[in-house]
Amino acid sequence: TQLLEQSPQFLSIQEGENLTVYCNSSSVFSSLQWYRQEPGEGPVLLVTVVTGGEVKKLKRLTFQFGDARKDSSLHITAAQTGDTGLYLCAGQPRSTGNQFYFGTGTSLTVIP
Amino acid sequence: NAGVMQNPRHLVRRRGQEARLRCSPMKGHSHVYWYRQLPEEGLKFMVYLQKENIIDESGMPKERFSAEFPKEGPSILRIQQVVRGDSAAYFCASSPILAGNTGELFFGEGSRLTVL
Repeated sequence: TQLLEQSPQFLSIQEGENLTVYCNSSSVFSSLQWYRQEPGEGPVLLVTVVTGGEVKKLKRLTFQFGDARKDSSLHITAAQTGDTGLYLCAGQPRSTGNQFYFGTGTSLTVIP
Repeated sequence: NAGVMQNPRHLVRRRGQEARLRCSPMKGHSHVYWYRQLPEEGLKFMVYLQKENIIDESGMPKERFSAEFPKEGPSILRIQQVVRGDSAAYFCASSPILAGNTGELFFGEGSRLTVL
């Protein structure tokens, strides 16, 4: 069973377009993180959201944590080719022990 | 300050051989996580270790797989009698505190295992 489901799984858009990636779960998380991974490399942390309803902005990226702390979204404005990569949400559910779960991933391709 | 170091970056083994993957966490980090990743997929949790202790190995297959994080030296993920299905990228991550408590995971560049 997959604790964190991401959608869409694959996304291909033109440069300059906007997009939103979703991360959903039936479990409550104390915090959620978003990572970005490029081919041949390990994931790199983009942001951590902690408070229900929290919104964080990182340049053209906007991250939101759901009020119930079960879901999160990542919105990219005016996508650039450098945004291409695999976006992963991750978190540690309150109900489990020490596992740190990652989502299924969204593979984004930005076409020039 | 060196990041998380994994080696080898690429490893080719024939079915039935053993694979040993090593991970040196960032300096000062005492928590190590191992993940497995197939192409275009997310990371699957395998095991969480602290120095000399396996804290959670619920994601690791019961047979053929083992992990350790000795007092001195790197953490090692060992796969015995490899099969083709073991082919994947194996990532190690370290954290100074329990990840999830607003702690960040720092990842290595991964070890890519190919089983012929």
